[in-house]
Amino acid sequence: RKEVEQDPGPFNVPEGATVAFNCTYSNSASQSFFWYRQDCRKEPKLLMSVYSSGNEDGRFTAQLNRASQYISLLIRDSKLSDSATYLCVVTLDYGGSQGNLIFGKGTKLSVKP
Amino acid sequence: NAGVTQTPKFRVLKTGQSMTLLCAQDMNHEYMYWYRQDPGMGLRLIHYSVGEGTTAKGEVPDGYNVSRLKKQNFLLGLESAAPSQTSVYFCASSSLLANQETQYFGPGTRLLVL
Repeated sequence: RKEVEQDPGPFNVPEGATVAFNCTYSNSASQSFFWYRQDCRKEPKLLMSVYSSGNEDGRFTAQLNRASQYISLLIRDSKLSDSATYLCVVTLDYGGSQGNLIFGKGTKLSVKP
Repeated sequence: NAGVTQTPKFRVLKTGQSMTLLCAQDMNHEYMYWYRQDPGMGLRLIHYSVGEGTTAKGEVPDGYNVSRLKKQNFLLGLESAAPSQTSVYFCASSSLLANQETQYFGPGTRLLVL
């Protein structure tokens, strides 16, 4: 079983739609959770961290369910500029800076006019 | 503040040739990483460093060597390139401070080995 699994997509949605991405992780010792965004032929960039209580940043909402080892990202009112690949990322140690950042393969989103 | 920079941006090698990829960061980060990204495989960690003079193996270290002689630089070497090393290579850095573990990535180096 892969450590971090995501639906590869692509998700093709119209502008203004709400879209949800799911991610599961296999290691119950995972400590920190993130969503990164990667545009075509560009480097990954942090979109948002994911906290146990859930967190929101504008149109983006991230949720974590430790019992089910499940992370989600909800994008409301999709914009054309949201088109990208979204990477689910988990770490095994609290700091996440010991080389233990585990990336999912990403879910591709395409927002159409 | 340039963040994380990588050179070169693109390179074509013949099998058996060697090369060094350079990563530089100006954020005074302690940790640095080298990843490769292949279609359908996601990002995989090659080597990483938790400080000047120290390096460690990641998930796919074979065929690569690294050095961290200065805090701001992290070099990735290919001693004898193979077609299987055709990939996009990303360098990243992060702080050791708690709650600042975000990894910042460079723009990538596209390597083609013929």
